[in-house]
Amino acid sequence: AQSVTQLDSHVSVSEGTPVLLRCNYSSSYSPSLFWYVQHPNKGLQLLLKYTSAATLVKGINGFEAEFKKSETSFHLTKPSAHMSDAAEYFCVVSVYGGSQGNLIFGKGTKLSVKP
Amino acid sequence: NAGVMQNPRHLVRRRGQEARLRCSPMKGHSHVYWYRQLPEEGLKFMVYLQKENIIDESGMPKERFSAEFPKEGPSILRIQQVVRGDSAAYFCASSQAPGTSRYYEQYFGPGTRLTVT
Repeated sequence: AQSVTQLDSHVSVSEGTPVLLRCNYSSSYSPSLFWYVQHPNKGLQLLLKYTSAATLVKGINGFEAEFKKSETSFHLTKPSAHMSDAAEYFCVVSVYGGSQGNLIFGKGTKLSVKP
Repeated sequence: NAGVMQNPRHLVRRRGQEARLRCSPMKGHSHVYWYRQLPEEGLKFMVYLQKENIIDESGMPKERFSAEFPKEGPSILRIQQVVRGDSAAYFCASSQAPGTSRYYEQYFGPGTRLTVT
């Protein structure tokens, strides 16, 4: 069965410092993995996705994530945080691997950015 | 190029009333998904539909909840006889049909926040 664990419920960084949001997954199939961002009272926006191509995935707004099969991890990083990055971030695995199906969400990590 | 539209954005219902949530997928998308987000939780899958067909409803509560995606018009998530525990944000997502390169990419709407009083 597929599952996702986000290791931190809350991360706080200072503006201009690196961001690391951790995610571990469990999947019986070759997984498709995603990071979504949700700003307060808004819908979810896809940041980036991994679907068995390059293991280092670049997304929007300077975010990237690396798929590490040996560690079953898909951590999200950004070299320099911006105030506008403050939001909730969800690590997501697709139930059916690379094909269609429902998504399983982690519980989310709230990112705070201090000036 | 309009994204996924949901309405209403906020809905208040008294216990025992019915709630109807609407979702219009992105242009060119034929698959719709509904998710529920309870406070302090991630989103939980409810149901996956294509036009006139429910593909996967494994996340739907057995009673009071139903979903449809008719040939014409938006997808509807219907909750009958609402209870306080139904208060949540309900998100709709849509994707393209099988066989296209972006098949697996789901685009989310802004959500409907249901409050049951």
